[in-house]
Amino acid sequence: QVQLVQSGAEVKKPGASVKVSCKASGYTITNYYMHWVRQAPGQGLEWMGLINPFDGGPSYAQSFQGRVTMTRDTSTTTVYMELSSLRFEDTAVYYCARYDGHRVGFLYWGQGTLVTVSS
Amino acid sequence: QSVLTQPPSVSAAPGQRVTISCSGSSSNIGNNFVSWYQQLPGTAPKLLIYGNNERPSGIPDRFSGSKSGTSATLGITDLQTGDEADYYCGTWDSSLNAGVFGGGTKLTVL
Repeated sequence: QVQLVQSGAEVKKPGASVKVSCKASGYTITNYYMHWVRQAPGQGLEWMGLINPFDGGPSYAQSFQGRVTMTRDTSTTTVYMELSSLRFEDTAVYYCARYDGHRVGFLYWGQGTLVTVSS
Repeated sequence: QSVLTQPPSVSAAPGQRVTISCSGSSSNIGNNFVSWYQQLPGTAPKLLIYGNNERPSGIPDRFSGSKSGTSATLGITDLQTGDEADYYCGTWDSSLNAGVFGGGTKLTVL
């Protein structure tokens, strides 16, 4: 069965970076796009970007350009999202989600990783 | 400010029917499929409706979706207390080349 298992909660200081991992199992990661979505406390879902399954190339939301880096390791079937220059407002739960195409959307989600930015 | 517009909250009594609207534009809803997600407190979103009106395996037929032009609607019949959750619409925006979501609608079953 398809599973997306994310790394544990993180606490970071403003200005630092955080790297969240998402280990995929039960399918071939080079066949599906992987996206990242975040949710600030009490807020809605915010799309951050994606990893192209064919070449590993990323595409980022405009609001995160220059601060986010999405990568993958096909040998460990793990996808990573690194966010730099953290601000208090980056405190959120970060989700990886497998994209099953424009028709289906996000069928599988990771359990979420809470990133807290605090001084 | 979300690209897709949803009402912040809706409520209805158990057994009743409720609808949740999602409004967008020609670059997103108007030319792409709409999905709906249910998020129970403290959990990851769950796909409820895809392809505008199709249900994944295991989703009861009390949940339905429709789309007309640049708007979509989620319908829930025979409301149960377990349906209390946040509901999000989502789609792809061809102009932004990005995924987009509604701001979410909190459903209260009175």
